Amino acid sequence: NAGVTQTPKFRILKIGQSMTLQCTQDMNHNYMYWYRQDPGMGLKLIYYSVGAGITDKGEVPNGYNVSRSTTEDFPLRLELAAPSQTSVYFCASSHQGANYGYTFGSGTRLTVV
Amino acid sequence: RKEVEQDPGPFNVPEGATVAFNCTYSNSASQSFFWYRQDCRKEPKLLMSVYSSGNEDGRFTAQLNRASQYISLLIRDSKLSDSATYLCVVNMGGGSNYKLTFGKGTLLTVNP
Repeated sequence: NAGVTQTPKFRILKIGQSMTLQCTQDMNHNYMYWYRQDPGMGLKLIYYSVGAGITDKGEVPNGYNVSRSTTEDFPLRLELAAPSQTSVYFCASSHQGANYGYTFGSGTRLTVV
Repeated sequence: RKEVEQDPGPFNVPEGATVAFNCTYSNSASQSFFWYRQDCRKEPKLLMSVYSSGNEDGRFTAQLNRASQYISLLIRDSKLSDSATYLCVVNMGGGSNYKLTFGKGTLLTVNP
């Protein structure tokens, strides 16, 4: 099993550009999450989904959008990239909410210049 | 009080040392607790869950004190390969039962 797969691994964007960070999981997990991690800071929840067709905001959703059309895929869209969105983005999934921990993808390292 | 607060570190210890990490959490209704390990420029990986009665996995021992809202991780006989950032992670429960809240992490460096 591949687990949680994120693409791309690295990306440099110019201010104002848009991009989609891809996340897919093959574990048939209902719950999926997007976090960002800034240096010296804990992971902050951007958006989450409890199943196909259902998404909701986390702590830091501004500047991002998500969709969940299938159980497997949970893409994160950045519109009008800003330097404040320079970060490492992690996608994660879990089978039954948060009681058994998450499986993380390997991350996308994004720089906005 | 921050939702999940950890020792700021960093910790530098020699091989073979015993090291302990501490963590406090703000919500007494929190339901589940974990320690994750994160290597440099890698994703967090689950190290161990933390149970009310305390639990051990080889050289690692985790303790939970619900009354004090305190979690600890003890590493005995430290190895070079234990060098990483250790994240205290909590399921705050209630209306937030779906998500985990992460501490900022404590960096451990084990020196030869």
